[in-house]
Amino acid sequence: GALVYQYPRRTICKSGTSMRMECQAVGFQATSVAWYRQSPQKTFELIALSTVNSAIKYEQNFTQEKFPISHPNLSFSSMTVLNAYLEDRGLYLCGARQGANTEVFFGKGTRLTVV
Amino acid sequence: GDKVKQSPSALSLQEGTNSALRCNFSIAATTVQWFLQNPRGSLINLFYLVPGTKENGRLKSAFDSKESYSTLHIRDAQLEDSGTYFCAAELSNNAGAKLTFGGGTRLTVRP
Repeated sequence: GALVYQYPRRTICKSGTSMRMECQAVGFQATSVAWYRQSPQKTFELIALSTVNSAIKYEQNFTQEKFPISHPNLSFSSMTVLNAYLEDRGLYLCGARQGANTEVFFGKGTRLTVV
Repeated sequence: GDKVKQSPSALSLQEGTNSALRCNFSIAATTVQWFLQNPRGSLINLFYLVPGTKENGRLKSAFDSKESYSTLHIRDAQLEDSGTYFCAAELSNNAGAKLTFGGGTRLTVRP
C-alpha cells in the first residue's frame, strides 16, 4: 500500500533557530508533494506545492526564504523552517500523490514547538 | 470566505446512533477526500471520491459535483469513531492540484 513516512514526529527548537523535517513516500511515486501547517485552532494552511520537474509554488504568506523545500526525486521531500518563532508553532504535514486527480497520502506530521 | 465549508463543527453522538457530516464547496470541486485525524495528529484516509458514492463498513460518503457538496455518513457510531473529521477538496480553480480543507468536525461518541 501507499505510505508516507514523516520525521521527526515532534521537535522543540529555540526561538530563532531552524529545523528540518522530511517525508519519504513508500509504495508509490510522489510526483507532487504539498506541505501544510495546521494551527493550534486546527485550520490547515497550504505552505507550498512541489511537483517534480516544476518550480515549487508557495502560497501567499509563505516564502522560500523562510520555508525552503527540496524535492529531489519521486520518493523524498524535505522542508526547513528557518529562524523559527512562536508564530511558526503547529503541526506540519506533508501530503504526497502520484499525479493530478489521485489520492493524497499524508505523513503523520511533525509537531513544532518553539521556546 | 471559506471555499470549503464543513458542518457541523462539533457533534456528540450516543453510541449506536447514526449521523452525517457535510461539506459545501463555493467553487466547483473535482475530487474530495475525507480524513479522520486522531489525537496524535495523524490524518487517516477514509475516502477518495470523484463524483459518486463509496461505502466502507459503517461509513458511507457521497460527492455531488453538480450541487457542490459532499457528505460522510456514520452508521452505528462506536467509541473509536471519536476524533476530528476533515473533508478536503481539489477545487477547479486550483493550479497545481492542491487540497483545500474544511474546518473540521469534532466528533465525540458517548457510551
